[in-house]
Amino acid sequence: EAQVTQNPRYLITVTGKKLTVTCSQNMNHEYMSWYRQDPGLGLRQIYYSMNVEVTDKGDVPEGYKVSRKEKRNFPLILESPSPNQTSLYFCASRRTGLSHEQYFGPGTRLTVT
Amino acid sequence: GIQVEQSPPDLILQEGANSTLRCNFSDSVNNLQWFHQNPWGQLINLFYIPSGTKQNGRLSATTVATERYSLLYISSSQTTDSGVYFCAVERAGNQFYFGTGTSLTVIP
Repeated sequence: EAQVTQNPRYLITVTGKKLTVTCSQNMNHEYMSWYRQDPGLGLRQIYYSMNVEVTDKGDVPEGYKVSRKEKRNFPLILESPSPNQTSLYFCASRRTGLSHEQYFGPGTRLTVT
Repeated sequence: GIQVEQSPPDLILQEGANSTLRCNFSDSVNNLQWFHQNPWGQLINLFYIPSGTKQNGRLSATTVATERYSLLYISSSQTTDSGVYFCAVERAGNQFYFGTGTSLTVIP
């Protein structure tokens, strides 16, 4: 089944404790992206990657890191999480080019205390 | 970035009613998608529609790219249609921008 998977689905952590949220897709998509969703703000793009070893900042990259060492994986790293990073996070992927829709993972609900 | 505005922000419908959701965007775009976020938080693709009209069952969508808006039509609404509907656009440069959504509640 074609899908985007994220782990963990739920995470409660404390301020300053480094964490990684994994994202994997099995559709051989070149493009992958991370978003955060906050009440009243819709989804905002954190980082995106056009292909292996190519990453770019979205609208809200501060406090986050990403890497793209393999085509299928695009982990999101919070090196020193803070309470304002409490949010619902989504990973997405699609083929590159002008005419391809995005497919989203199930989301990761992160709480930083 | 691009401004994406959705209206109305909230909508309550009786089961069986029809509705139209609107998405306005401030600049030309390459792609436009409509999503439904169900009560469990899952984002479901509804339409990929950078221009033209598409239909899928009780749902249809129209995008008029030259006038920078898109419409999502829901006919004969059902309680399972409840949730939040998002419009998302992509411009050259591969960045995506989402609207703040329309929250739909369908009551039996």
